[in-house]
Amino acid sequence: GENVEQHPSTLSVQEGDSAVIKCTYSDSASNYFPWYKQELGKRPQLIIDIRSNVGEKKDQRIAVTLNKTAKHFSLHITETQPEDSAVYFCAARGGSNDMRFGAGTRLTVKP
Amino acid sequence: EAQVTQNPRYLITVTGKKLTVTCSQNMNHEYMSWYRQDPGLGLRQIYYSMNVEVTDKGDVPEGYKVSRKEKRNFPLILESPSPNQTSLYFCASSLSGQYNEQFFGPGTRLTVL
Repeated sequence: GENVEQHPSTLSVQEGDSAVIKCTYSDSASNYFPWYKQELGKRPQLIIDIRSNVGEKKDQRIAVTLNKTAKHFSLHITETQPEDSAVYFCAARGGSNDMRFGAGTRLTVKP
Repeated sequence: EAQVTQNPRYLITVTGKKLTVTCSQNMNHEYMSWYRQDPGLGLRQIYYSMNVEVTDKGDVPEGYKVSRKEKRNFPLILESPSPNQTSLYFCASSLSGQYNEQFFGPGTRLTVL
């Protein structure tokens, strides 16, 4: 089955700086890679996703890159704001349509 | 309003007492899934369903059962709960099993004493 590893587990940045979170996956048949944001006490919500036939996708301050050869994908947040503080999860949909999540990254943006 | 609902939201029970957590979606989604969330472990998939009468094991299915008799409902059953099943449980649904956003329910916090 799929295995997803996520780094770092915690990340602290100054407001306005960029934040990068990295994930690796093991199943070469994985074809869909979403990122979710979970605020304290809330449910996870999708912030961006990418399919395996695309190398990069951007939505305002958020971008995701995918390297299929190396089996890794990354989330980039630019011009961070205090409201970006949350736990971020990467995920990969495996060839059997199962979904595996990384362990999460707690991002803190200091004003 | 399009949504995923779960009940109950909070539950404290004792070892061995069978329980069911219900999940329902009103978006006509084909794919439904159950996850448990534990500190430091992220979200781990318990079971998922691609459509009615089709269910598959996820990463941590032991001790759980599911059924998908109707498209909108996907109950999670714990036949004999144990303390290691104390966790936060999320149900989620998506349009299909492919490249679609999963919408999560509000979560059910279960404590097994």
